[in-house]
This record gives sequence, structure tokens and C-alpha cells, in this order.
Amino acid sequence: EPEVTQTPSHQVTQMGQEVILRCVPISNHLYFYWYRQILGQKVEFLVSFYNNEISEKSEIFDDQFSVERPDGSNFTLKIRSTKLEDSAMYFCANGQNQETQYFGPGTRLLVL
Amino acid sequence: RKEVEQDPGPFNVPEGATVAFNCTYSNSASQSFFWYRQDCRKEPKLLMSVYSSGNEDGRFTAQLNRASQYISLLIRDSKLSDSATYLCVVNGAGGSYIPTFGRGTSLIVHP
Repeated sequence: EPEVTQTPSHQVTQMGQEVILRCVPISNHLYFYWYRQILGQKVEFLVSFYNNEISEKSEIFDDQFSVERPDGSNFTLKIRSTKLEDSAMYFCANGQNQETQYFGPGTRLLVL
Repeated sequence: RKEVEQDPGPFNVPEGATVAFNCTYSNSASQSFFWYRQDCRKEPKLLMSVYSSGNEDGRFTAQLNRASQYISLLIRDSKLSDSATYLCVVNGAGGSYIPTFGRGTSLIVHP
């Protein structure tokens, strides 16, 4: 079964630093998503991306966040100036349509 | 009222038991419904979609009740490997096509 992969698996950063989380999606799956899950809490939708543009975003996805597909395959989430409360697990998900999503293993981000 | 609500549990059941979870949603215009499974510190994995007519996949049965705005998941003949958190996901709960996750119901199956 094809898999979504994410790098790095863990990242520790200082408050105020920029981080870039990377996702390698399943080939030919054109719907992309980022979610976060703060420890002990529910999974929260951040943004969906289709046809090289954002299709939906949540209130969490403010100006500090951005997404792009820099080389037409990888899918990245950038946090410009991290805050303590950005510490969470960040999941990339990918699907052939809006219904079925395959999640990557996540990047655990810790902001100190 | 929360958009998607689940009983957090834990549901502690012996092997072989039948267990059922419910999930309620607030937006009657919600479009599609899913159950995911999440193991500790792992990513969510799609278990099954939920249709108005109900659907079954082996030991798992999902039902949707639009009138009462809830979905259910029934697990028959529980296995130790069923121990996980079960996440209810509703698309369109916030009025747009955004997946909203419940906090999950924890299931522990013991020998």
C-alpha cells in the first residue's frame, strides 16, 4: 500500500524560529491536507490544498502559516515564527478525493 | 455545543465482547462521515466511511442517523488488537468542507 511520508519525524526549535515540515504524498493523489494534534487533544484541521492553491483553511491557519509544493511533488508547511503553543504533532494527509485521506506518520514539533 | 462529540471512555471490554460507540454532530448540513482509528502516538487511519444505509466491514458496522444527528460504530468479537482510540470525523460540520474530528473514544480490550 502506498504511503505518505513526512520529515523530520521530530523537530525541536526555539521560540521565534521558522520551521518547515515536509511531506511526500502518494503519487497521483491530488488533495493535500495539514492537521495538528496537541498532546492529549483532538486532531485539528489546518488547511487543504488542491490544484496548487489553498481550498480551505481553519482559524488556526493564520499569517504565520504557509503551504506550498515547491517542486510539484513534496508538500510543505512553514511556520514563520514559532510560538510555544505551536508544539504539537503535525500530520500531512493526502487523497485522491475529498473523502478518503491517508495520513503520514507525523512530525512532532517542540517549541522551547 | 461542540460540533462533534464523543464519549472519551475508556471502554474496557474482554476479548470477544461486542462494543458500540456513538458520536453526535451539531450541523444538520454535514455531508459525510467517517470512523478513524488512532493508536497511541500514531497517525489516524481510516477505518470506514459511514453511509445512510449503514455499512459493514467484517466485525465492524457503522450506522448514520441523520434525524438524530449521530453516527455509531459497532465492533463484534473484540480482539486485543482492537485496542485504540476511535475517532469520529464529520465533513462539513462547520458549514464548509472541512473535516472536524471528535476527541475520540478509547477502547481497551483485555484478555
